[in-house]
Amino acid sequence: EIVLTQSPATLSLSPGERATLSCRAGQSVSSFLAWYQQKPGQAPRLVIFDASNRATGIPARFSGSGSGTDFTLTISSLEPEDFAIYYCHQYSSWPYTFGQGTKLEIK
Amino acid sequence: EVQLMESGGGLVQPGGSLRLSCAVSGIIFSNYWMSWRRRVPGKGLEWVANINPDGSEKYYVDSVKGRFTISRDNGKNSLHLQMNTLRAEDTAVYYCATSGGVWGQGTMVTVSS
Repeated sequence: EIVLTQSPATLSLSPGERATLSCRAGQSVSSFLAWYQQKPGQAPRLVIFDASNRATGIPARFSGSGSGTDFTLTISSLEPEDFAIYYCHQYSSWPYTFGQGTKLEIK
Repeated sequence: EVQLMESGGGLVQPGGSLRLSCAVSGIIFSNYWMSWRRRVPGKGLEWVANINPDGSEKYYVDSVKGRFTISRDNGKNSLHLQMNTLRAEDTAVYYCATSGGVWGQGTMVTVSS
């Protein structure tokens, strides 16, 4: 099973600041990595797929990068609605796995 | 608009069974891989099971193998998860999702005596 380790566990920032979230895989997942956003009481929402492609309806301030074992989700200028938990997810090999999440909170 | 609606969750005793269903609309259901995923309270997300478009391929996470069965009815645009021999550690919110990354709102399953 491929373990995904996200850092930091919690990120405290203010609106307008830049957020950088990391995800490291225990072995290469090529570019088969996605990022999900989840808010309380809501279903996870796909933000990035295939490491760097924005999902439909996702604003351009969200970007993803990386390949192999190291990945980054960047939010260039935080909006109030961006504060949530973000999970990375690999679909390179079964069983598909998720990271433990990064909570992005308002400072 | 793609919509997924889960049903069938509830409280069940250890060793009991539940059958979850997911009604799907807004896509050509028979073209998509589908999956069940869960969020365990206080923990994170876990991928539970996958099924291919015609139902001939199924994959399960080790912790549910032999106890859970994923199935689909392409004529009714529905996905199912038969859960047997339930354990306390199966307590979670269960989501159905498409391979395109759209999730339902989830249904809570609580396994407790």
